[in-house]
Amino acid sequence: DAGITQSPRYKITETGRQVTLMCHQTWSHSYMFWYRQDLGHGLRLIYYSAAADITDKGEVPDGYVVSRSKTENFPLTLESATRSQTSVYFCASSPGGGVSEAFFGQGTRLTVV
Amino acid sequence: AQSVTQLDSQVPVFEEAPVELRCNYSSSVSVYLFWYVQYPNQGLQLLLKYLSGSTLVKGINGFEAEFNKSQTSFHLRKPSVHISDTAEYFCAVSRGYNFNKFYFGSGTKLNVKP
Repeated sequence: DAGITQSPRYKITETGRQVTLMCHQTWSHSYMFWYRQDLGHGLRLIYYSAAADITDKGEVPDGYVVSRSKTENFPLTLESATRSQTSVYFCASSPGGGVSEAFFGQGTRLTVV
Repeated sequence: AQSVTQLDSQVPVFEEAPVELRCNYSSSVSVYLFWYVQYPNQGLQLLLKYLSGSTLVKGINGFEAEFNKSQTSFHLRKPSVHISDTAEYFCAVSRGYNFNKFYFGSGTKLNVKP
């Protein structure tokens, strides 16, 4: 199916474990983003990528790692999960060019216990 | 840093009443502005966007927003809401020297009552 998909939709992990959230888009959009959504904070940008092999930090990058070896995939890794990283994570993509909005996945609800 | 302020965290309203959800931004450069809607357990969907031109922007589901540069606002309005409009609404902005990064407000939960 065309679009942007995130997996898993729900994940429970233990403190200190490494966990990777997957994001895949079929539009060949140049830009991809990872946001976290927390009550009272809205969506905060974790990392973004302008193209394959080009990534940059957003507002809250600490504790996260991203990679983008292929245009269509943009995985987010929590190297050593902490309870403060319990959140809903959204991946988004945009064709770029300055006049396009971001298109969002369904989100991954991550609970760190 | 870019700031987007949504002044109301929750807005209760009765069905068929008008509603306005407020959004203010701070930026010294030109901006693009967006409103998104999020239904429970779903991702965000675009309602409307302002890029340039007419300051009154019409979107899906009967929503509209007005860009006011002097007041740095982009308030969302609907003349008559339905129960199905119950959702969380997010204002977002991208700014002049990097239009490809999007910054979001904290969201406004619209609760439409029968």
